[in-house]
Amino acid sequence: DTEVTQTPKHLVMGMTNKKSLKCEQHMGHRAMYWYKQKAKKPPELMFVYSYEKLSINESVPSRFSPECPNSSLLNLHLHALQPEDSALYLCASSPERGTGSTDTQYFGPGTRLTVL
Amino acid sequence: QKEVEQDPGPLSVPEGAIVSLNCTYSNSAFQYFMWYRQYSRKGPELLMYTYSSGNKEDGRFTAQVDKSSKYISLFIRDSQPSDSATYLCAMNGGNNRLAFGKGNQVVVIP
Repeated sequence: DTEVTQTPKHLVMGMTNKKSLKCEQHMGHRAMYWYKQKAKKPPELMFVYSYEKLSINESVPSRFSPECPNSSLLNLHLHALQPEDSALYLCASSPERGTGSTDTQYFGPGTRLTVL
Repeated sequence: QKEVEQDPGPLSVPEGAIVSLNCTYSNSAFQYFMWYRQYSRKGPELLMYTYSSGNKEDGRFTAQVDKSSKYISLFIRDSQPSDSATYLCAMNGGNNRLAFGKGNQVVVIP
């Protein structure tokens, strides 16, 4: 089973709202990722968690706050977003066999976020 | 120069034709090479991944890697309308970061 699930599928929020995106995988993967994808562009990496610790933050604004409660779950907390943050937010996971892993990544279906 | 170059021009082919997609790259550290298929408004789906130079087949799909030329290809035989999607090449140099190409939109016309 190579499934990564994400909820919700769609989210519409105002600029003053606080919301969270959720991601789950049961493949035993120890690396999890958040990506942002705009229309007709490839995914852009935001955050990487390795063994439940934040290992990469690609200079993402603090209005995006990631959290990894356990090895199967990944959250992205959203607060005071801007309309330009509207995009498809993708979660991915990969096996992590240690530093410098070259394992491939499996993506979830994404959450389509609209910020009004 | 971008790490991964993929000509993003849309590609229209008749049903049954062979689809040929390719990417070039500049970083010799890339070791894993992947092709993802992405349908409109969906997440990327892993189609093929390869590690070494050479060919890998899976049904109608063949992935080809030439590390000496820093060139990878994806071939889709007997294309079907259901193959209409965006195809993204991606590469990994061992630091959890995937370098993506821009993606090719493929339309298979019945």
